[in-house]
Amino acid sequence: RKEVEQDPGPFNVPEGATVAFNCTYSNSASQSFFWYRQDCRKEPKLLMSVYSSGNEDGRFTAQLNRASQYISLLIRDSKLSDSATYLCAVTISGAGSYQLTFGKGTKLSVIP
Amino acid sequence: DAGITQSPRYKITETGRQVTLMCHQTWSHSYMFWYRQDLGHGLRLIYYSAAADITDKGEVPDGYVVSRSKTENFPLTLESATRSQTSVYFCASSEGGLAGGEQYFGPGTRLTVT
Repeated sequence: RKEVEQDPGPFNVPEGATVAFNCTYSNSASQSFFWYRQDCRKEPKLLMSVYSSGNEDGRFTAQLNRASQYISLLIRDSKLSDSATYLCAVTISGAGSYQLTFGKGTKLSVIP
Repeated sequence: DAGITQSPRYKITETGRQVTLMCHQTWSHSYMFWYRQDLGHGLRLIYYSAAADITDKGEVPDGYVVSRSKTENFPLTLESATRSQTSVYFCASSEGGLAGGEQYFGPGTRLTVT
């Protein structure tokens, strides 16, 4: 089983829709969780960290479920500019190196 | 403020040649990382560095060498390039500490080995 798994999509949604992505991780020692966004042929960019209590940044909400070992990203009122690939990433506690393990990404296309 | 830069942005080389990819960051971040990104595999860590003169292997280190004599630079060398090393290479940096997982990526180097 892969350490970090995501549904590859693509998710094709109309503008204004709400879309949710899940990401599961296999290592229960995973400590920190993140969502990155990657536009086509560009570098990944940090979208948001995921805190135990959940966190929100504008139209984006991230949640962590340690019991079921998954994180989620909710995008409300989708914009055309949200079209990208969304990568989840985790670090393992005790590694001390801040190594990130990435999922393969979920592709989102927002359609006019 | 350039942040983190990589050079060259594009490189075509032949099998067996030595190639060095450069990475430079202006934030004085302690941690630096090299990833490769391939279709079907996603981002995979090659090497990382916690500070100058401290480096360690990641998931896929074979065929690569790194050094870090200065905090701001983290070059990646392919000692004898193979076709399987055709990929997009990303360098990243991080402050470490509580922000350790918040990594900032360079624009990438697209390497083709013929």
